[in-house]
Amino acid sequence: AQSVTQPDIHITVSEGASLELRCNYSYGATPYLFWYVQSPGQGLQLLLKYFSGDTLVQGIKGFEAEFKRSQSSFNLRKPSVHWSDAAEYFCAVAFNNAGNMLTFGGGTRLMVKP
Amino acid sequence: DAMVIQNPRYQVTQFGKPVTLSCSQTLNHNVMYWYQQKSSQAPKLLFHYYDKDFNNEADTPDNFQSRRPNTSFCFLDIRSPGLGDAAMYLCATSSGQVSQPQHFGDGTRLSIL
Repeated sequence: AQSVTQPDIHITVSEGASLELRCNYSYGATPYLFWYVQSPGQGLQLLLKYFSGDTLVQGIKGFEAEFKRSQSSFNLRKPSVHWSDAAEYFCAVAFNNAGNMLTFGGGTRLMVKP
Repeated sequence: DAMVIQNPRYQVTQFGKPVTLSCSQTLNHNVMYWYQQKSSQAPKLLFHYYDKDFNNEADTPDNFQSRRPNTSFCFLDIRSPGLGDAAMYLCATSSGQVSQPQHFGDGTRLSIL
């Protein structure tokens, strides 16, 4: 069955430090990949997406993600974290045979230390 | 700006008293979705409309219904809310193309007394 895994439930980083959030998927072909961020009490905001082409994609708020087919991964990175980045991050995948439905990972809660 | 708007942002209802949540969009998207999100969990899809075609997830309780009177509006009706239905309810839209993202509203936080 198709699935999406975010191995880290919580991550704490210091402000200014680099960040990497992990996302792995299970699927036989290349899926369509998305990262969303959710601040407390808010909806989900799209950070970036990948479906073809350059495997390193740039998003909003200084985030980037790299698709690695060999590892079935789509990890999110940011070189220098700001306190305002504290939020819940969801990796989501649209599998071709599921139309436009999204399968979400369980989410990673990011906390930022001053 | 084109957007997805949910009203109200916060809704309090009594146990067993029907409640309706609303969602509107200015994106002119074909597809509208309703998700339920409980604390520290990922959103869970309840159902979606592709144009006028309603698609219910297999595990969505019968207590949850939806209406889409036109392209712009979609409603979530909870006929007899139980304590377990307290959650954030998110509306999203998309063009229907698998490569395109879903666009989310800010959600309605539902509390049950």
